[in-house]
Amino acid sequence: KAGVTQTPRYLIKTRGQQVTLSCSPISGHRSVSWYQQTPGQGLQFLFEYFSETQRNKGNFPGRFSGRQFSNSRSEMNVSTLELGDSALYLCASRPGFNTEAFFGQGTRLTVV
Amino acid sequence: SQQGEEDPQALSIQEGENATMNCSYKTSINNLQWYRQNSGRGLVHLILIRSNEREKHSGRLRVTLDTSKKSSSLLITASRAADTASYFCATDAHGANSKLTFGKGITLSVRP
Repeated sequence: KAGVTQTPRYLIKTRGQQVTLSCSPISGHRSVSWYQQTPGQGLQFLFEYFSETQRNKGNFPGRFSGRQFSNSRSEMNVSTLELGDSALYLCASRPGFNTEAFFGQGTRLTVV
Repeated sequence: SQQGEEDPQALSIQEGENATMNCSYKTSINNLQWYRQNSGRGLVHLILIRSNEREKHSGRLRVTLDTSKKSSSLLITASRAADTASYFCATDAHGANSKLTFGKGITLSVRP
């Protein structure tokens, strides 16, 4: 089985721009979560989608949004980028409740 | 906010020695999980222990869970240079709907 795939791996954007990151979960996994990792704040939960519905949302501003498609692939969007949005964005899929999460390699976003 | 707090923050040992890492958390959980991360890449799941379990083994890994003290420990026996990485504990809290809450991580260095 293919693992969780995130694209792109690296991205450089300018302040004020917007960005869309993509995540393809492991086949059969319907739960997809997104995390932001920074040296200062560590791993912070952004949101979780299950069967195209957002089930859970972290404490991030409305500039951060996401969606999930019928094939379970997910995208997250960050609008009006700020320097502080520079981070490693990780996507994870899970086969079910109370199970382990499988992470992608992440997208390294740099905002200049 | 960080649910899990790992201890120590950094650990340096000689190859062949055992490494013990601790994690404390705050709320009731369904399970606790340990992950490894190499140099800012994706997280790799190591082991999951459910709230009704006290100890679990997987290869050179042994994890314990004490729900009365809200703490867990991860023991890596006979460490290898390849075990050098950051280790995170993550909790799956009751009613959290697939939201994993991570600690800040432990940096383990294994000297050849």
